[in-house]
Amino acid sequence: KQEVTQIPAALSVPEGENLVLNCSFTDSAIYNLQWFRQDPGKGLTSLLLIQSSQREQTSGRLNASLDKSSGRSTLYIAASQPGDSATYLCAGGGDYKLSFGAGTTVTVRA
Amino acid sequence: DAGVIQSPRHEVTEMGQEVTLRCKPISGHNSLFWYRQTMMRGLELLIYFNNNVPIDDSGMPEDRFSAKMPNASFSTLKIQPSEPRDSAVYFCASSLTGERPFFGQGTRLTVV
Repeated sequence: KQEVTQIPAALSVPEGENLVLNCSFTDSAIYNLQWFRQDPGKGLTSLLLIQSSQREQTSGRLNASLDKSSGRSTLYIAASQPGDSATYLCAGGGDYKLSFGAGTTVTVRA
Repeated sequence: DAGVIQSPRHEVTEMGQEVTLRCKPISGHNSLFWYRQTMMRGLELLIYFNNNVPIDDSGMPEDRFSAKMPNASFSTLKIQPSEPRDSAVYFCASSLTGERPFFGQGTRLTVV
C-alpha cells in the first residue's frame, strides 16, 4: 500500500518568498503523482499531474518535480502571494487509486 | 459546466438514522469516486465507479455503507444506521480518464 508523507504540516512565509513543499512516498512503482490545493470548507482542486515517465510539470508560478528513485516530489511556488494560502496535498498511486498525504497548510503573510 | 455538485452541503443527524448523500458528476465523465476526509485518517477512497459500475469498493468501511450509481449523472452514498464515528466530510469526485479527479464541495456530516 502506498504511504504518502508531507512535511512540514504547516508553513508560514512572508509575501514574495518562494515556497517549497515536500512529499515522499514509499512505493516507487507509482503511476502518477498529483498535487492538489484545498481551501477551507472547499473541495480539492487539481494543480499538477506528473506521469511516472515525467520528471516535472509546470503551470504558471507552480513547478512540481518527481524523483521516483528517491520517492520524493517537490512543489515550488514562486513569488508567493496571500492568495496562495491554502492546504496543499500530494497524492500518488495507481491509475485511479490515489493515496493522499495529510497536506501542508500554507499561510502567506501580507 | 457547474462542476461536481453534491447535496446536501451540511447534514446533522441522530445516531441510528439513515443518511443519503447525493452527487451529480461532471457531464461526460465516466469515472466517479466517493472519498471521506477526517482529521485522524485524512482523505480515503471509499468506492470507485467506472461507467456506472462499481470497480473498487474495498474502502467502504462496513456493511452500513452502500453506494449506487443508477445512471451516468447521479450517484448516492447511503449510511444506515449512522454512528457518531461516521462524522466526516464526504467528497464526490469525477474524471474522464480515472486519473485526474474533479472534486465537489463536499458534504459535512455530523452524527450526534
